[in-house]
Amino acid sequence: EDKVVQSPLSLVVHEGDTVTLNCSYEVTNFRSLLWYKQEKKAPTFLFMLTSSGIEKKSGRLSSILDKKELFSILNITATQTGDSAVYLCAVPTYYNDMRFGAGTRLTVKP
Amino acid sequence: GAVVSQHPSRVICKSGTSVKIECRSLDFQATTMFWYRQFPKQSLMLMATSNEGSKATYEQGVEKDKFLINHASLTLSTLTVTSAHPEDSSFYICSARQTENYGYTFGSGTRLTVV
Repeated sequence: EDKVVQSPLSLVVHEGDTVTLNCSYEVTNFRSLLWYKQEKKAPTFLFMLTSSGIEKKSGRLSSILDKKELFSILNITATQTGDSAVYLCAVPTYYNDMRFGAGTRLTVKP
Repeated sequence: GAVVSQHPSRVICKSGTSVKIECRSLDFQATTMFWYRQFPKQSLMLMATSNEGSKATYEQGVEKDKFLINHASLTLSTLTVTSAHPEDSSFYICSARQTENYGYTFGSGTRLTVV
């Protein structure tokens, strides 16, 4: 059965800290892994990863995929209170539906 | 941790029939639930927000008479796609929020195919 597991489920840090969020997966016919940020309603897209070892960056956020070990990490450096959100990892399955992890709830305190 | 169970994971139905999708919060009371729709290679699109015991709030462009949402208890919300057509084929996913200060938990999604 297709499975996406995120850890930790919850994380509390202070501004300026660096955080690493984890996502492991078991999906038949893997094609890509996506990261989303959700603050209020609909999650917003962050990254899509398809190849191992190639880091994707967007400002203070970066992500990398390891297709051999079946996991991805999302790093956020110099965190700010505006980074507080739920971060979702998702993987499209063989049937083209998206399997989401449970999410990591990040709280950044001033 | 908070768990949301969504069923069915996949469903195929004929045009003109109705399909009900259930979203249950297993270990917490969900005062608010969200229903999303996702087209291929696109992000999630919020369809509606439902609050327990009151009418759902639909996003612009979403037909409330076609996508019936019921949130009759703190642990169950249902989305019924009425008189389904092939263009309703999509991936539907629910999300539950436990309290105002708690994060969101997603169900695993439902792939609907209308033939």
